[in-house]
Amino acid sequence: KAGVTQTPRYLIKTRGQQVTLSCSPISGHRSVSWYQQTPGQGLQFLFEYFSETQRNKGNFPGRFSGRQFSNSRSEMNVSTLELGDSALYLCASSRQDSPNSPLHFGNGTRLTVT
Amino acid sequence: AQTVTQSQPEMSVQEAETVTLSCTYDTSESNYYLFWYKQPPSRQMILVIRQEAYKQQNATENRFSVNFQKAAKSFSLKISDSQLGDTAMYFCAFINGGATNKLIFGTGTLLAVQP
Repeated sequence: KAGVTQTPRYLIKTRGQQVTLSCSPISGHRSVSWYQQTPGQGLQFLFEYFSETQRNKGNFPGRFSGRQFSNSRSEMNVSTLELGDSALYLCASSRQDSPNSPLHFGNGTRLTVT
Repeated sequence: AQTVTQSQPEMSVQEAETVTLSCTYDTSESNYYLFWYKQPPSRQMILVIRQEAYKQQNATENRFSVNFQKAAKSFSLKISDSQLGDTAMYFCAFINGGATNKLIFGTGTLLAVQP
């Protein structure tokens, strides 16, 4: 069974640009959540989608948005990039909407903003 | 607000020895779950072990076990017979028992297993 797939693995963008990251969950998983990992702030929750609906949102500005498609694949978008958006973005999927179902993480997308 | 604290930024252990990583958390919730995740240089976050707050028995997974002290809000991870492959960043994490997958992570402990 394929794991959580995130594309691309690496991305370099310039300040002011926008970027879209993609996450394909494990087959059968309906919940997808996104996390930002930086040396300074650690791991922070961005948002979670379940059955195409955003169920939870972290404390990030509106420049960060996401969506989930009917096949459970998810994308997150960051507009008007800032230097501080440089981070590892991790996606995680789970089978159910319960904490009993473990989260499976992808390898992440490393975003560098110059 | 829920918080997770890991007070040991780095630790080192000899191969085959035992090491304990500390974690404390703060919450007013009664129904929650606690996790330890491992992140090797490959970047992928891997679940090591999890504990349901309503269970008094400490969880174990092969060489990994936890010491869950609910009253003290403490959740430490013990790694027995440490192996070189255990070298990684270890994160303690918390999640509410509601319909959410919002994990709250600690700052992590970098564990180095020395040969």
